[in-house]
Amino acid sequence: DGGITQSPKYLFRKEGQNVTLSCEQNLNHDAMYWYRQDPGQGLRLIYYSQIVNDFQKGDIAEGYSVSREKKESFPLTVTSAQKNPTAFYLCASSQGQGGSDTQYFGPGTRLTVL
Amino acid sequence: GQSLEQPSEVTAVEGAIVQINCTYQTSGFYGLSWYQQHDGGAPTFLSYNALDGLEETGRFSSFLSRSDSYGYLLLQELQMKDSASYFCAVLNQAGTALIFGKGTTLSVSS
Repeated sequence: DGGITQSPKYLFRKEGQNVTLSCEQNLNHDAMYWYRQDPGQGLRLIYYSQIVNDFQKGDIAEGYSVSREKKESFPLTVTSAQKNPTAFYLCASSQGQGGSDTQYFGPGTRLTVL
Repeated sequence: GQSLEQPSEVTAVEGAIVQINCTYQTSGFYGLSWYQQHDGGAPTFLSYNALDGLEETGRFSSFLSRSDSYGYLLLQELQMKDSASYFCAVLNQAGTALIFGKGTTLSVSS
């Protein structure tokens, strides 16, 4: 079955620790994305990548970092510089053709910083 | 930059019809998309409009008016399972990533 996997589903970390969220896709999609969701805030774009070894900042990139060393993987690191990291994080992928390009989302990781 | 406005909440009863509106401001427009998200789940694609007019997919339809920077999602014959959040979205200025509205929570009661 093709799809996007995110692990773990729930993640707890102490304040001040960096944490890396996993995102893997086997859809052979070129583009991958990270969104953050807070109650009442919708989905806000953190980072995205249109191609391997290249990525761009979204609207709320401060305190986050990413890498895209493989087409199927796009891990997100939440650093200690992120002031309010507790949120629901969603990874998505698409063929990256713009316009009608459909984004497919993973099940999400709920991060709680204690 | 891109911005989208949609109502925060809508309520309806089973069998009814509901319309969720979305107005947008964009620098460059590539079309309007709609996504559905059940509580705690992943958003899933519903529809896409690039041209003016109505697109119908089963019980769901989506409308776009580019001159008014406005679109809506129409849900007919509402069912309890339609209770979810609905997001409109447009591509960013570069045309490379979706920017989402804050979402409309639809509650369907019996």
